Amino acid sequence: DAGVTQTPRHEVAEKGQTIILKCEPVSGHNDLFWYRQTKIQGLELLSYFRSKSLMEDGGAFKDRFKAEMLNSSFSTLKIQPTEPKDSAVYLCASSFRQNTLYFGAGTRLSVL
Amino acid sequence: GDQVEQSPSALSLHEGTGSALRCNFTTTMRAVQWFRKNSRGSLINLFYLASGTKENGRLKSAFDSKERYSTLHIRDAQLEDSGTYFCAAPGGYKVVFGSGTRLLVSP
Repeated sequence: DAGVTQTPRHEVAEKGQTIILKCEPVSGHNDLFWYRQTKIQGLELLSYFRSKSLMEDGGAFKDRFKAEMLNSSFSTLKIQPTEPKDSAVYLCASSFRQNTLYFGAGTRLSVL
Repeated sequence: GDQVEQSPSALSLHEGTGSALRCNFTTTMRAVQWFRKNSRGSLINLFYLASGTKENGRLKSAFDSKERYSTLHIRDAQLEDSGTYFCAAPGGYKVVFGSGTRLLVSP
C-alpha cells in the first residue's frame, strides 16, 4: 500500500518566490494535516482538512501560507512570498477519522 | 490549550540496557501515538493505543486515558534505536505532539 507521498523532497527558493508543495494522502484517508518542523519550534500545525473541508488554518500562518485540497487524493501547500525564516521541513500526514496518523517523508525547504 | 509534556528531553543508554519515556497530557486524550524519527528525518509509526498496552519486539507502550499519561519502554537497547522519539495525541481538531526525546545508545 502506498503511504503518504510528498513532493518534492527538497526545494530551494529565493526570498520572495512562490513555492508549492504537494501531498498525496493514503488512499481512503479523510483527514489530512500539514505541519512545519523546525528544531526550535518542533512540530507546528499549518492546516487540517477533514473530507476536503478546511477545519484548521494554523492561525499565525494565514498570511503567506495557503493549503488547498482540490480532491480527496491531493493537497497543496503554497507559500507566497517565501522568507528565509520559512526554511524548515514541511510534513504532510493523513489518517482515517483521526486514528493512526501516517506521515510523509517531508519536503525540506531552504529559502535563501 | 491542550498540551503534552514529554520526558526526558534527552536520554543516553548503553547497549543492552533499557529505560522509559513518558508523556503526560493536560486533558483527557482518546488515544496516543508514538513515533521515531529515523536517520532520514521521516517519522515512523511505532504504536497507536486507545487504551492498555502494546508490545512490539523490544518496545512496549502503555496508555492510561483516565490518568492522562502514556509510556514507551525500551529494553535491551541497540545502537540502531538511537533517534528522536515523539508521542502524539490524535483527536479533535488538532494532533498535539510532545517535544521529543533524543535517545542516544552507545556501545
